Amino acid sequence: AQKITQTQPGMFVQEKEAVTLDCTYDTSDQSYGLFWYKQPSSGEMIFLIYQGSYDEQNATEGRYSLNFQKARKSANLVISASQLGDSAMYFCAMRELNTGGFKTIFGAGTRLFVKA
Amino acid sequence: KAGVTQTPRYLIKTRGQQVTLSCSPISGHRSVSWYQQTPGQGLQFLFEYFSETQRNKGNFPGRFSGRQFSNSRSEMNVSTLELGDSALYLCASSLGLAGDPNTGELFFGEGSRLTVL
Repeated sequence: AQKITQTQPGMFVQEKEAVTLDCTYDTSDQSYGLFWYKQPSSGEMIFLIYQGSYDEQNATEGRYSLNFQKARKSANLVISASQLGDSAMYFCAMRELNTGGFKTIFGAGTRLFVKA
Repeated sequence: KAGVTQTPRYLIKTRGQQVTLSCSPISGHRSVSWYQQTPGQGLQFLFEYFSETQRNKGNFPGRFSGRQFSNSRSEMNVSTLELGDSALYLCASSLGLAGDPNTGELFFGEGSRLTVL
């Protein structure tokens, strides 16, 4: 069965430093997509980055990169040069292609606090 | 390009009542998913529709139902409301094409915040 685990309920990082948010997943499917979303206090969900299970290169989008370790089933989000505006909830998500039946499931989230 | 629109944004109901929430997806998106977000349970998948067909359903009681219209707009209905149904209900649209997980990127609306008294 699909499962996403985010073990860090909260994280603190100093402004301008890098931070890694952990995500592990469980799936029996060979084809799946991994996503990270950001939810600021205003509530909207913002897509950050995507990694396909067959992608050999780690995905990057500006200051965001996804450290994809397929054998370990981990998809950690790395935010470089943290900014105050990065303070938010971050959700890791997975969409299975075959056995998931077109649903995306989310982890419990990590709340990131960026300190000035 | 207009984003995902959810109405109403806020509503207050009492136990036993029913509620209907509406979602208009991004133009061209045929997949609409619904999620319930609560502080204790996080984001829980309700159901997903694609071209008027429900493709998948989460583990929610039958009081939660949905549908999708030919223009891809979707509604979800909760009947016989309970206090525990108080939550932020998020709708998300995507291309959602079979065979390509990359088209699963979800574009979320701002949500409908339901309070049940």
